[in-house]
Amino acid sequence: GENVEQHPSTLSVQEGDSAVIKCTYSDSASNYFPWYKQELGKRPQLIIDIRSNVGEKKDQRIAVTLNKTAKHFSLHITETQPEDSAVYFCAAVLSSSYKLIFGSGTRLLVRP
Amino acid sequence: DAGITQSPRHKVTETGTPVTLRCHQTENHRYMYWYRQDPGHGLRLIHYSYGVKDTDKGEVSDGYSVSRSKTEDFLLTLESATSSQTSVYFCAISEPGDIQYFGAGTRLSVL
Repeated sequence: GENVEQHPSTLSVQEGDSAVIKCTYSDSASNYFPWYKQELGKRPQLIIDIRSNVGEKKDQRIAVTLNKTAKHFSLHITETQPEDSAVYFCAAVLSSSYKLIFGSGTRLLVRP
Repeated sequence: DAGITQSPRHKVTETGTPVTLRCHQTENHRYMYWYRQDPGHGLRLIHYSYGVKDTDKGEVSDGYSVSRSKTEDFLLTLESATSSQTSVYFCAISEPGDIQYFGAGTRLSVL
């Protein structure tokens, strides 16, 4: 079945620096890749997503890149702010079942 | 936030007792999902539904059953709760192939 690996598990950056989180997936049939942010005690919330027919997508300080050949995708956060501190999850969706398979999460800490 | 309500929000129960968690949506989305979240494991799919009375297993379905008799309600049942089922449970909804929206979660403790 589909498997999603996410790295690193924790990431600490200085405010203003960039943060990069990487994920790899196993099933080449996956065609939709969302990223969720989860603050402590809250629900996961979608921050950006990308479909397999696109290589890159940006939304203000957040961008996601997708390399279908290598089966990996990455989240880039520029000019990090303390409110970016949270756990970030990548996920991959199989078009056949619409099941969402999550990575294990990255705890991002932005130091003021 | 999408119209998703999970109940109860918190529950403490004893080993061996049955427990039912409810997810209610007002968005008329076709797909509904139950996940559990544990430290170090992220979010793992328990069961999902792709229509009324249509359900399928996820990656951690053992010990859980689900039912969906109406579009808006998706129930998760632990027939005989065990301590390993202590977790935070999230419901999610989506249209096929589209964004999944999550409920606020239910924190379950099995003593």
